Amino acid sequence: NAGVTQTPKFRILKIGQSMTLQCTQDMNHNYMYWYRQDPGMGLKLIYYSVGAGITDKGEVPNGYNVSRSTTEDFPLRLELAAPSQTSVYFCASSYSSGPLAEAFFGQGTRLTVV
Amino acid sequence: KQEVTQIPAALSVPEGENLVLNCSFTDSAIYNLQWFRQDPGKGLTSLLLIQSSQREQTSGRLNASLDKSSGRSTLYIAASQPGDSATYLCAGRGSNDYKLSFGAGTTVTVRA
Repeated sequence: NAGVTQTPKFRILKIGQSMTLQCTQDMNHNYMYWYRQDPGMGLKLIYYSVGAGITDKGEVPNGYNVSRSTTEDFPLRLELAAPSQTSVYFCASSYSSGPLAEAFFGQGTRLTVV
Repeated sequence: KQEVTQIPAALSVPEGENLVLNCSFTDSAIYNLQWFRQDPGKGLTSLLLIQSSQREQTSGRLNASLDKSSGRSTLYIAASQPGDSATYLCAGRGSNDYKLSFGAGTTVTVRA
């Protein structure tokens, strides 16, 4: 099983450039999430989605946008890259949000903004 | 808001010793708590999930406990091996929350 797949694995951006981080899952999960991980810190939620067409902000949404047109895909858009967005980005999914909701993560995208 | 803390940040043990990893959370109204393993430069691999109604979960050499009243979860790894070297993260999901709140992790080194 592929699970949660993220592309690209690595990317270097110049300040002011834009890019889209891709995330797709093949588990038919309703809930999808984008987290960022900075050194020595826990993962912080950027955006999440509870189903196709429904998205909402997490703890650190500024500078990012998302869309969810299908159950499988949940891309994250950076419009004007800034050095503060240098981080490792993880996409995750879960079937529900209840007590049995185990979260599955992708392999991450390591982004550097210079 | 759920706050999750993991102490210590790093741990080094000789091979064969049992590992005890601690996780503290502030909101006892927790739906579940999940333990993950992260290898350097890699994603998160789910190890165990404990529902709020459970006291512990076991998988092979791994055992995780949950005590909501004290706001603690503990991950035990029996008879540690060098291959257990990794960062271990715990994350809790609140009853009124879609997201997982993560601790910063404990980096474990098992010395051969």
